[in-house]
Amino acid sequence: EVQLVESGGGLVQPGRSLRLSCAASGFTFDDYAMHWVRQAPGKGLEWVSGISWNSATIGYADSVKGRFTISRDNAKNSLHLQMNSLRAEDTALYYCVNGLTVPGTLGSYYYMDVWGRGTTVTVSS
Amino acid sequence: QSALTQPPSASGSPGQSVTISCTGTSSDVGGYNYVSWYQQHPGKAPKVKIYEVSKRPSGVPDRFSGSKSGNTASLTVSGLQAEDEADYYCSSYAGSNNLVFGGGTKLTVL
Repeated sequence: EVQLVESGGGLVQPGRSLRLSCAASGFTFDDYAMHWVRQAPGKGLEWVSGISWNSATIGYADSVKGRFTISRDNAKNSLHLQMNSLRAEDTALYYCVNGLTVPGTLGSYYYMDVWGRGTTVTVSS
Repeated sequence: QSALTQPPSASGSPGQSVTISCTGTSSDVGGYNYVSWYQQHPGKAPKVKIYEVSKRPSGVPDRFSGSKSGNTASLTVSGLQAEDEADYYCSSYAGSNNLVFGGGTKLTVL
C-alpha cells in the first residue's frame, strides 16, 4: 500500500524557517515525481512545488519562489520542503503527493495520485 | 501563474448530468493537454478523476468524463449520485515546470 507521511509542521513566527519532510513507502520512490500542495483553512488547493524522479525538473509557485526549496533523497525514500521567510499567508495544511502512473510513464510530473494526510503549518506571532 | 477559473458552485439532481468548467489561458489549459481533475470530500484528501484532459485512471467510473476546447476544460459527471457531492478542482501544466489549480467548484446533489 502506498503511504506518504508528512512531518515537520507547527507554529512558527513570521520570518522564521521550517522544514517539512515526507516519508514514502509502498512504491518505488525513485520512479516517481513528487509534489507539495497546500490548502489554507476553508480554501482551495494550491500547488506549491514539484520535483521529478531524478531532481532534474523542479518547479515552484510564484508565491513561494525564492523562499521555498524542494529536495528529495531517493536513498531514504524521503521528500523535503525547506521553507524560509515564512509569511502569514503560508499558513495551510501541506500535502505530500506522488505522481500518477499513466501508460508509458511512471509517476508522471503532470498529474497527482496518492496524497498524504498533510502537516499543518501556522505562521503567526 | 494565476489560478484557473472555476464556478464556485454547481448542482444537479440524482441521475442528471452536470458540467463544471475550468478556464485558463493559452499559457496553461490552452497550451497543453496536461489537464486533470480532482475530487475532494470534506476532511479528506483529493482523488484524481481525470488526467490528460479526458482519460480516466483505473477504477474511476465512466460517469466522469473530461474535454477541452481552446482555453477551457470541462468535467462532466453523468448519472449523478449522492456520493458525487464534493469539491472539484481542475489542474493544468502552465509551462516552466509549473502546475496550477483552479479555485474549486462545490458540487451539490439536490
